[in-house]
Amino acid sequence: ETGVTQSPTHLIKTRGQQVTLRCSSQSGHNTVSWYQQALGQGPQFIFQYYREEENGRGNFPPRFSGLQFPNYSSELNVNALELDDSALYLCASSLDTSKTQYFGPGTRLLVL
Amino acid sequence: GQQLNQSPQSMFIQEGEDVSMNCTSSSIFNTWLWYKQDPGEGPVLLIALYKAGELTSNGRLTAQFGITRKDSFLNISASIPSDVGIYFCAGRGGSGTYKYIFGTGTRLKVLA
Repeated sequence: ETGVTQSPTHLIKTRGQQVTLRCSSQSGHNTVSWYQQALGQGPQFIFQYYREEENGRGNFPPRFSGLQFPNYSSELNVNALELDDSALYLCASSLDTSKTQYFGPGTRLLVL
Repeated sequence: GQQLNQSPQSMFIQEGEDVSMNCTSSSIFNTWLWYKQDPGEGPVLLIALYKAGELTSNGRLTAQFGITRKDSFLNISASIPSDVGIYFCAGRGGSGTYKYIFGTGTRLKVLA
């Protein structure tokens, strides 16, 4: 059984650009949640996808969007990047929306 | 964004000592999770708690779901150098609540 994987591990972008981050959920998990973790802070919930539909959203602007695919892998897209978007982006998968979440290693995004 | 209060924020302890940390919320939660995060990596699940008053152990770690459902506690016995890291609590409310709210983290340093 493979765990949650994320790609890329690191990314550098400039302000105004767009970025796509990817997550493969743990085998058998149909729910993926995305979090943003700024330096020195706890993870902040961005949104959750369940069976290819958005199942809930945190306090993030619409330029943060996502997708979930039939194999339950997921993408996080961020448009019009801002300096404050620099953070570790974590994805977590779970058996369903109410179950324990298991995290991937994260993608560290730096916006210059 | 919303974060739970964790204390202490950081602690230095001697190897072999016991450690206690706690997490408090203004809301009632139905699930409490405890994670450990090493630098540059994603959080790793330590213990999951699903019922008020529940006491669960994982090796040298013991966590409790507070009876008020607004707090949780994590104890580490006989600390070792590899216990170094940041410990996060995460809580989730009732049915239909999809997101976990994370604490601010407790940074643990163990002196050999």
